[in-house]
Amino acid sequence: AQSVAQPEDQVNVAEGNPLTVKCTYSVSGNPYLFWYVQYPNRGLQFLLKYITGDNLVKGSYGFEAEFNKSQTSFHLKKPSALVSDSALYFCAVRDLNDYKLSFGAGTTVTVRA
Amino acid sequence: EAGVAQSPRYKIIEKRQSVAFWCNPISGHATLYWYQQILGQGPKLLIQFQNNGVVDDSQLPKDRFSAERLKGVDSTLKIQPAKLEDSAVYLCASSRDRTTYEQYFGPGTRLTVT
Repeated sequence: AQSVAQPEDQVNVAEGNPLTVKCTYSVSGNPYLFWYVQYPNRGLQFLLKYITGDNLVKGSYGFEAEFNKSQTSFHLKKPSALVSDSALYFCAVRDLNDYKLSFGAGTTVTVRA
Repeated sequence: EAGVAQSPRYKIIEKRQSVAFWCNPISGHATLYWYQQILGQGPKLLIQFQNNGVVDDSQLPKDRFSAERLKGVDSTLKIQPAKLEDSAVYLCASSRDRTTYEQYFGPGTRLTVT
């Protein structure tokens, strides 16, 4: 069975500082990894994905994520956070042979001005 | 391109009542998903359709939940009778097909069971 862990319920950073949201995964085969963001009263929006290739993946709104196979991690990063980045972030994993997405519990990011 | 549409946005019912949610996916998307998102948790897949056929309903509580996608386009999710623990946001998502990696989500329906 596949699963995702987001060890931090909340992340607080000052605007302009680097932002990191942690994610670790468990999957039997090669993982497909995703980050989604959810703003209040809105659905999930796709940020980026790792399927294969370069371990550093770039996505929407200046976000990037680094795939680390040995540590089974896929941390989301942004070099300089904005107040508008405040939202709920979800990491998700899909096994190569299973089309089902499994989501983490989410991390609430608050960026203070 | 219009996004995934869902209605209603909010619904409050009493336990043991029934409720139905509607979803219209992005035009041309063959795969449709219903997720349940309980407060403080990530979305959990309830059912997945490929066109008008069910691909995966292993996590759907079939004694009270049902879903259909009769013409392979829009879909309805029903709960009958509702329980307090069904209070959640019900998200609909769609993708071009099962192998497509990105899923596009609607705004969700927030259900409160009292």
